Amino acid sequence: AQSVSQHNHHVILSEAASLELGCNYSYGGTVNLFWYVQYPGQHLQLLLKYFSGDPLVKGIKGFEAEFIKSKFSFNLRKPSVQWSDTAEYFCAVNDYKLSFGAGTTVTVRA
Amino acid sequence: DTEVTQTPKHLVMGMTNKKSLKCEQHMGHRAMYWYKQKAKKPPELMFVYSYEKLSINESVPSRFSPECPNSSLLNLHLHALQPEDSALYLCASSQGAGETTGANVLTFGAGSRLTVL
Repeated sequence: AQSVSQHNHHVILSEAASLELGCNYSYGGTVNLFWYVQYPGQHLQLLLKYFSGDPLVKGIKGFEAEFIKSKFSFNLRKPSVQWSDTAEYFCAVNDYKLSFGAGTTVTVRA
Repeated sequence: DTEVTQTPKHLVMGMTNKKSLKCEQHMGHRAMYWYKQKAKKPPELMFVYSYEKLSINESVPSRFSPECPNSSLLNLHLHALQPEDSALYLCASSQGAGETTGANVLTFGAGSRLTVL
């Protein structure tokens, strides 16, 4: 099965700063890629997904991600973060099962 | 209705108790999942049911026993658990399972937080 690595364990930002979270998956072939977010005390929510087509994917709350096949990467970006973006962010890949990366804690300071 | 509902939200049990976690969805999804999430860790897959049949068991100890009475319901029966089994147990559902298509977007419930004393 695929595995996922997330580059950053904890990211601390100020409001209005730009955010980029790295994600790499282990090998090629047909994969479905996801970013999920878990706000404090809330359930996992889907931010965005990539199955095929345009490698630049737009999701909810102003997030986007770029799939780069040659680098096995699916990095998440947001141009200007808000305090409400404080959360745990998980990259995930689905071949026969959904496997999550270790997660990145994002803290946005007001 | 685009929700996955889990009950109870919190459960405290002793090591000799028998309890169950319940999960319900009314989105017509045909695959349902149990995940376990420890604090500050990613969710780990435990079981997958596809069309009410167990399709994946990720080598979970037999003290966890899943049951899928129908396509909308998923239970996790707990017996003789250990303190290290304390975690957030997440249920999820998707339209399909295992296919590399748009069918396998998982919708998660809020979880049942289990404490084993």
